Amino acid sequence: GAGVSQSPSNKVTEKGKDVELRCDPISGHTALYWYRQSLGQGLEFLIYFQGNSAPDKSGLPSDRFSAERTGGSVSTLTIQRTQQEDSAVYLCASSLVGQGTEAFFGQGTRLTVV
Amino acid sequence: GQNIDQPTEMTATEGAIVQINCTYQTSGFNGLFWYQQHAGEAPTFLSYNVLDGLEEKGRFSSFLSRSKGYSYLLLKELQMKDSASYLCAALMGDAGNMLTFGGGTRLMVKP
Repeated sequence: GAGVSQSPSNKVTEKGKDVELRCDPISGHTALYWYRQSLGQGLEFLIYFQGNSAPDKSGLPSDRFSAERTGGSVSTLTIQRTQQEDSAVYLCASSLVGQGTEAFFGQGTRLTVV
Repeated sequence: GQNIDQPTEMTATEGAIVQINCTYQTSGFNGLFWYQQHAGEAPTFLSYNVLDGLEEKGRFSSFLSRSKGYSYLLLKELQMKDSASYLCAALMGDAGNMLTFGGGTRLMVKP
């Protein structure tokens, strides 16, 4: 597609339920990032995929969070047993690999845990 | 992680100039991005610096000093539409691809 696509755009879920957030990066972009942004805050790094390398999971806040990237393209971020503090906007970005290549962001998924 | 520090909020007047500073840890540094984010929207790319010096792009300029771990974004002839958050992001790591963001600076432009 022309840009980074995320779905759903909004998700309301009950505490304790699992959710899956999807990201379709720009075609050909081998680097993919997930960030979390709470209201009025900066971007909190969650996970980074680059090509076939092992992902950098150092930003995942707990073992309830996991992410996959299938075929080097689409990525899914899964949050198990959601908690109210998981409520945030989850942003995905992709880029080409190499210095100076900007990351392009999707519009995000606004997750609300009630 | 890589500490990236920038002021939380700034206020400036329409037509004026404002400078938003950013400091970062220099270890493993490979470049510095500035992004603009309007409320409720995704961040959009503004500038990239990898060498020391000033990069000018219209009303916006960005400066980098690698030795000092310091960058700033300069906005000239401020317009009301410039009210937004400005995010400093450093490209870090051996592969030079780990993009880490600061907390963002919320700029309010007043008439």
